[in-house]
Amino acid sequence: EVQLVESGGGLVQPGGSLKLSCAASGFTFSDSAMHWVRQASGKGLEWVGRIRTNTKNYATAYAASVKGRFTISRDDSKNTAYLQMNSLKTEDTALYYCTKAGDGFDIWGQGTMVTVSS
Amino acid sequence: QSALTQPRSVSGSPGQSVTISCTGTSSDVGGYNYVSWYQQHPGKAPKLMIYDVTKRPSGVPDRFSGSKSGNTASLIISGLQADDEADYYCCSYAGSYTSVFGTGTKVTVL
Repeated sequence: EVQLVESGGGLVQPGGSLKLSCAASGFTFSDSAMHWVRQASGKGLEWVGRIRTNTKNYATAYAASVKGRFTISRDDSKNTAYLQMNSLKTEDTALYYCTKAGDGFDIWGQGTMVTVSS
Repeated sequence: QSALTQPRSVSGSPGQSVTISCTGTSSDVGGYNYVSWYQQHPGKAPKLMIYDVTKRPSGVPDRFSGSKSGNTASLIISGLQADDEADYYCCSYAGSYTSVFGTGTKVTVL
């Protein structure tokens, strides 16, 4: 079965850090660029960033709102992508999805919730 | 990286057609043929409905179609059905390997 499963969400204080994971199965993970998208409660989707494949030197790109604070990485041997989030702000509170980039974002996980609050 | 502009809501009766617009700039929607559309039911993950402006993934009904003119892309849902009631988001490549989503549109089936 083709699927993405996010994990690692939770409650963190402002200024803190959290690392999310996205485990992939059912497709050739190493051939796929991976993106992270977030959605605050009752709000729209916001693109967070992406990581390309080995053949594209694992190049990353980020939204301006997270650049310099968030880092995306991947471990193709584990079929897993990661989102390291540092210097978290209350406005980073959201459901975080990972999604596979193929023809559009064709596979989505169920999301993992991140709450930044004191 | 400003969000693409979509109407907050559109509505139609069963069997009718509705069109959702997605307005950006020449740096995103107008500059590339990489606009996609996503359907999201409450509490669910988004689902890809259209990619590369006009293409439909396997399994998506042909009642869903996409187009683009200048800086505005559109999703057309024809033969509206009850299950089409959901939030819809456009997304565009925005250069420098970044993407941007639209503000989202709630479709109501009357």
